[in-house]
Amino acid sequence: DGGITQSPKYLFRKEGQNVTLSCEQNLNHDAMYWYRQDPGQGLRLIYYSQIVNDFQKGDIAEGYSVSREKKESFPLTVTSAQKNPTAFYLCASTDTFEDEQYFGPGTRLTVT
Amino acid sequence: ILNVEQSPQSLHVQEGDSTNFTCSFPSSNFYALHWYRWETAKSPEALFVMTLNGDEKKKGRISATLNTKEGYSYLYIKGSQPEDSATYLCALGELNYGGSQGNLIFGKGTKLSVKP
Repeated sequence: DGGITQSPKYLFRKEGQNVTLSCEQNLNHDAMYWYRQDPGQGLRLIYYSQIVNDFQKGDIAEGYSVSREKKESFPLTVTSAQKNPTAFYLCASTDTFEDEQYFGPGTRLTVT
Repeated sequence: ILNVEQSPQSLHVQEGDSTNFTCSFPSSNFYALHWYRWETAKSPEALFVMTLNGDEKKKGRISATLNTKEGYSYLYIKGSQPEDSATYLCALGELNYGGSQGNLIFGKGTKLSVKP
């Protein structure tokens, strides 16, 4: 079955710790995205990558970092510099010749 | 900052009712309008991608229309069923410099609850 996996589903961390969220896809898609959802808000773009070894900041990149060493993988690190890291994080991917984005199931991060 | 607005924020209907909701978006630099269904504990799932003014798409009991000149899209559900309960997201894909779709700008969603 082709799709996007995100792990873990729930993640708890203490304030001041960096944490990495996993996103893997086996759809052979070139582009991958990270979004954040907060209550009462739409999905907001954190980072995106259109090709391996390249990525760009989205609208709310401060306090986050990413890497794209493999086509299938686009991990997101939430650093201690992110002021409000508690949120729901969604990963998505898309094929170059399609407009539709495919989403993973998300990771809920709680930082206390 | 571009705004994609969805209304209403939430909707409670009885099984069998037909319903509709609205997505409003800035009409300049339009490339595509996306509708997604997001059920609790699942991934958002694409319903429609619409690109042409006047476009109308249908999937079972769900249909959508698009007006790019005035910047709105309607999503209709005919004869709502409990399994239609979900948050419905719309997203604007802007035209980028390369002539393809830029990043998506999402609305806040309309949460639909269908009571049996």
